[in-house]
Amino acid sequence: DAKTTQPTSMDCAEGRAANLPCNHSTISGNEYVYWYRQIHSQGPQYIIHGLKNNETNEMASLIITEDRKSSTLILPHATLRDTAVYYCIVRLSNDMRFGAGTRLTVKP
Amino acid sequence: EPEVTQTPSHQVTQMGQEVILRCVPISNHLYFYWYRQILGQKVEFLVSFYNNEISEKSEIFDDQFSVERPDGSNFTLKIRSTKLEDSAMYFCASSEDFYGYTFGSGTRLTVV
Repeated sequence: DAKTTQPTSMDCAEGRAANLPCNHSTISGNEYVYWYRQIHSQGPQYIIHGLKNNETNEMASLIITEDRKSSTLILPHATLRDTAVYYCIVRLSNDMRFGAGTRLTVKP
Repeated sequence: EPEVTQTPSHQVTQMGQEVILRCVPISNHLYFYWYRQILGQKVEFLVSFYNNEISEKSEIFDDQFSVERPDGSNFTLKIRSTKLEDSAMYFCASSEDFYGYTFGSGTRLTVV
């Protein structure tokens, strides 16, 4: 599976959009991009995944660049409850492997 | 919304004892997983299970670990002889297909 690079931490103001970047320059053609988050010590929570096209669901939007070497997870209106560690995972067929992620802190 | 249920939420065991962590995956899910997270560290993959057999395991999942689906609903992780370094949060997950995993809230295992 391709390696991903994410910033260690980010802050966001409550009510503003949170844009979390992820670099995956070695991604191969059939590998999907997944995003999960972990709030405090809870189990990771699936957010969204995509292959080539941008995706949107009730939680977030996923923007994948045309060359697929990077992506951005967008939380359109961040709330305090979105404070968590966000994981970007690139995966083909192996099981989900988590890195260190980005610690997002939403501030009032 | 369907949940993955893990019991107990917290277990304390003496070093060298056997421990069984229990999970009830979502009923129509076919794929099952165990992960662990040592305090302050990343979430680590242990094992995946499909069609009543292990499909993949990590280097952490050595001979002291085993998994079982004893009936149609439970999925268990057994640690035969616990060590201090086995102290961690253990997460069970299940998925209907290849994509989104649903994780339980975890069992905090403390080995003393």
